[in-house]
Amino acid sequence: GAVVSQHPSWVICKSGTSVKIECRSLDFQATTMFWYRQFPKQSLMLMATSNEGSKATYEQGVEKDKFLINHASLTLSTLTVTSAHPEDSSFYICSARDGDRSPSYNEQFFGPGTRLTVL
Amino acid sequence: TQLLEQSPQFLSIQEGENLTVYCNSSSVFSSLQWYRQEPGEGPVLLVTVVTGGEVKKLKRLTFQFGDARKDSSLHITAAQPGDTGLYLCAGIMIKAAGNKLTFGGGTRVLVKP
Repeated sequence: GAVVSQHPSWVICKSGTSVKIECRSLDFQATTMFWYRQFPKQSLMLMATSNEGSKATYEQGVEKDKFLINHASLTLSTLTVTSAHPEDSSFYICSARDGDRSPSYNEQFFGPGTRLTVL
Repeated sequence: TQLLEQSPQFLSIQEGENLTVYCNSSSVFSSLQWYRQEPGEGPVLLVTVVTGGEVKKLKRLTFQFGDARKDSSLHITAAQPGDTGLYLCAGIMIKAAGNKLTFGGGTRVLVKP
């Protein structure tokens, strides 16, 4: 149980284009999903918290107009990187929390990540 | 300054040796998790500790949560090459908004055959 998938697993795009990354919880409903980015040999940095049916909460320094997050259902959240630039190249990872899990320690289950390369 | 300090940042050992990774903070955590991440993949949850002084074992891995719930350690006995990876501790601070996870900086472990 508690499987999270991401699509695509890797993407290469040209500078100025937009890229959408999907995050799905496969066997549970996730009222809350999180988006992280990770640079080589570094830890994860939280970008935003995505709540189903409401606006995402962005961390300080993360541009909400550049990183659009939509959490339209209890099993799907999307991150769209708009007008991508080479400095947006990174490993993007989502996680989801199973609100029905018992006992609940607010554990997050992570997707396999999406490697974005902007040329 | 990171809220969760992990040490060491990098550890290279021979197969069969033991190793310990530390995770320290001045803040109290309601729960703390340990993850292992391999290159190009997402972190995989190893264990969650919630009670001060708690010790959990997962085969050759032993996890301990400090009495005051401010620190934790991961000990691997007789390490194997398959233990190679990035080990991350992450916790939810007491009264953290939105139950956000705070991550440590990670410890890169290399077990040589």
